[in-house]
Amino acid sequence: DIQMTQSPSSLSASVGDRVTITCRASQSILNYVNWYQQIPGTTPKLLIYSASSLESGVPSRFSGSGSGTDFTLTISNLQPEDFATYYCQQSYSPLFTFGPGTKVEI
Amino acid sequence: QVQLVQSGAEVKKPGASVKVSCKSSGYSFTSYYMHWLRQAPGQGLEWLGQINPNGDTTRYAQRFQGRVTVTSDTSTSTVYMELSSLSSEDTAVYYCARNRPMVTRTLDYWGQGTLVTVSS
Repeated sequence: DIQMTQSPSSLSASVGDRVTITCRASQSILNYVNWYQQIPGTTPKLLIYSASSLESGVPSRFSGSGSGTDFTLTISNLQPEDFATYYCQQSYSPLFTFGPGTKVEI
Repeated sequence: QVQLVQSGAEVKKPGASVKVSCKSSGYSFTSYYMHWLRQAPGQGLEWLGQINPNGDTTRYAQRFQGRVTVTSDTSTSTVYMELSSLSSEDTAVYYCARNRPMVTRTLDYWGQGTLVTVSS
């Protein structure tokens, strides 16, 4: 299976900050990475697909980049509703896998 | 609008099986793959398997092979996930999730989750 790692595992930030989360794959996965947000007590929400495509309805302060093995999710101008856990997921392999998550705290 | 509504919470004893349902509405049921995932308390997301409701082809995560079965019923637009030989490690919230149109293995709509508790 393709292993996905994320860093940091958690971070503290303030409203208005720019936050960057990194995801690394154990092998090249081209641009087959998705990013999800999960607010405690709710279901995951798709933010970014295919590494850099913004899902419909997702605010433009979210952006994704990367290819091969290294990917980033950036949240510019962090808002109160953005405090959540973020997961990357590789969609390259039919047996897709998730990163362990990055918790963004106040 | 797209909705995925799952069955209610379950409490099972070790060794038993559980079957969770996921009823779809608001879109063409047979046009999109459906996936099952789970999330243990305080943990991350884990994919269990998928089904193509148009033809019922399935694929499962290797670690669940032989223990998980995903089926669909097109007459009711419902997908089912059955997990057998339960242990306490299977205690988790189980989700169904639809594959996003035109993008492989990308999940755009999720069910509300079903808590399965395995305890003696």
